Amino acid sequence: KQEVTQIPAALSVPEGENLVLNCSFTDSAIYNLQWFRQDPGKGLTSLLLIQSSQREQTSGRLNASLDKSSGRSTLYIAASQPGDSATYLCAVRPAGFQKLVFGTGTRLLVSP
Amino acid sequence: DAGVIQSPRHEVTEMGQEVTLRCKPISGHNSLFWYRQTMMRGLELLIYFNNNVPIDDSGMPEDRFSAKMPNASFSTLKIQPSEPRDSAVYFCASSPPTGGYRPAKNIQYFGAGTRLSVL
Repeated sequence: KQEVTQIPAALSVPEGENLVLNCSFTDSAIYNLQWFRQDPGKGLTSLLLIQSSQREQTSGRLNASLDKSSGRSTLYIAASQPGDSATYLCAVRPAGFQKLVFGTGTRLLVSP
Repeated sequence: DAGVIQSPRHEVTEMGQEVTLRCKPISGHNSLFWYRQTMMRGLELLIYFNNNVPIDDSGMPEDRFSAKMPNASFSTLKIQPSEPRDSAVYFCASSPPTGGYRPAKNIQYFGAGTRLSVL
């Protein structure tokens, strides 16, 4: 059974810092991995999707990497801003399935 | 496009009552997913449909839960009878057909969720 873990559970940083969020999964047989952002009381917004054959994806100040063999992904946020404050979730799509298995999330607070 | 639309946004009901949550997926999407989010268990898939057909309902907690997708533009998740432990945020998501090798087609788009409180 695929299990997805995220560390840290919560992170508080001052504005401008570069930061890394971690995601690990137990079964390397995945189709892809997605990073989502969730604002309080809102739904999820997809940030980046990495196919199993890819090593990384970039979007603006965000960079996500994937090491499938070791079951790890990182989300790098450059020059953090207060508007980045949210909960970040990673989710893997197991090979052969359409469903997503979500991690526990990292709650990020960026203070001005 | 208006995105995935869920209703109601908030539902407060008493134990034993029937609850129906509704979802309208993005037009053209052929997969629809129902998730439940709680503090204790995080986000969990309950059931998903492909071309209106239930594919995997292994996440449905018990017989009190049922889901239907009568057509490509509408789905319901029903809880009967409801219990306090059903209190959670229920999300619906949809995704477009996955034919071909295009990463963007694998993305799931989420609605704003329905916050259910069973007293």
